Amino acid sequence: NAGVMQNPRHLVRRRGQEARLRCSPMKGHSHVYWYRQLPEEGLKFMVYLQKENIIDESGMPKERFSAEFPKEGPSILRIQQVVRGDSAAYFCASSPSGLSYEQYFGPGTRLTVT
Amino acid sequence: RKEVEQDPGPFNVPEGATVAFNCTYSNSASQSFFWYRQDCRKEPKLLMSVYSSGNEDGRFTAQLNRASQYISLLIRDSKLSDSATYLCVVNPAAGNKLTFGGGTRVLVKP
Repeated sequence: NAGVMQNPRHLVRRRGQEARLRCSPMKGHSHVYWYRQLPEEGLKFMVYLQKENIIDESGMPKERFSAEFPKEGPSILRIQQVVRGDSAAYFCASSPSGLSYEQYFGPGTRLTVT
Repeated sequence: RKEVEQDPGPFNVPEGATVAFNCTYSNSASQSFFWYRQDCRKEPKLLMSVYSSGNEDGRFTAQLNRASQYISLLIRDSKLSDSATYLCVVNPAAGNKLTFGGGTRVLVKP
């Protein structure tokens, strides 16, 4: 069952370190989305990517956060110089190309900043 | 005003009973609507898309009222396994950026 895969599932970083979160979309899906869920809050859109293109990054914090989806390999969400407020669950979703708006989510990466 | 609003609950439901809840959305140009289910902070799982004509999937029925800008979900014959947080999700416009409500927590008890 080639669902959306994310790794690592849990990541602990000290303040000031970098966090790299990886997402492999479902087979046949070329659209990737990243969402963040802060403790006791709902999911918030961060960024939407297709291969080698950022389509919509309106939900990304202006500093320290970046995302890519290279031609080969997984999508990566990178957080530089992490702070405690970055502690959250980061979910990746994918959808097939075309007009489908249904998105399928991976298991998430739980980032804890100490 | 939040873009998508839901009653957080919890809705305490006896096993076998029917439960229904709504969500409202603010963007009248919204194009796509979904219900997702989330268990214990795990990943959201697509429960069903919501169509203008309403749709049913087994014990679950979803309705969309564009004029009043709300979506409803009804669960019949509730099972213990239906205990979860139900997320109302809206795609505000073309572009695949989903907007999530805060979720409605449902607890089904024996």
